[in-house]
Amino acid sequence: GAGVSQSPRYKVTKRGQDVALRCDPISGHVSLYWYRQALGQGPEFLTYFNYEAQQDKSGLPNDRFSAERPEGSISTLTIQRTEQRDSAMYRCASSLRQGGANVLTFGAGSRLTVL
Amino acid sequence: GQNIDQPTEMTATEGAIVQINCTYQTSGFNGLFWYQQHAGEAPTFLSYNVLDGLEEKGRFSSFLSRSKGYSYLLLKELQMKDSASYLCAVREPGGSQGNLIFGKGTKLSVKP
Repeated sequence: GAGVSQSPRYKVTKRGQDVALRCDPISGHVSLYWYRQALGQGPEFLTYFNYEAQQDKSGLPNDRFSAERPEGSISTLTIQRTEQRDSAMYRCASSLRQGGANVLTFGAGSRLTVL
Repeated sequence: GQNIDQPTEMTATEGAIVQINCTYQTSGFNGLFWYQQHAGEAPTFLSYNVLDGLEEKGRFSSFLSRSKGYSYLLLKELQMKDSASYLCAVREPGGSQGNLIFGKGTKLSVKP
């Protein structure tokens, strides 16, 4: 697509439920990133992929968080047994290649609220 | 890992010049980015520096000193629409060379 598309834009869930957030990157972009952003803060790195391979997942807070990109395009970030502290804006970004001057283009984000 | 510091907030007057500083501490370095983020919107790319010196792009310029672990973003002829958060981000070296680590951002308010 023309831009990075994320869905849902807004998700309200009850504590303990699982949620799945989807990211559709710019067509042809090799690298895909997940960030979490609290209000008034910069994006916090979670994980990133080159093609279907997860290159770095060091930012995932705990084992309730996981991500996949099985065909090297669309990615899903899954949060199991959600907690109130998981409430945040989850942003996906993609870039044409990894590293160097390759620019990350961000999607509009998925706002998660855990009640 | 990386430690990136920038001021939390700044205020400037329409038509003026403002400089937003960013310092970073890292065991390696593979480029520095500046992003602009308007309230409620996604960050958008402004500039990239990997070598020391000044990169100019219209009203915006970005400077890098690798030996000092320092960068600044210079905004000239400020306009009201420049009110936004400005994010400094450093690209990690080595095996995670694709990743960008962001600072907390500087919220700039431009007043008439």
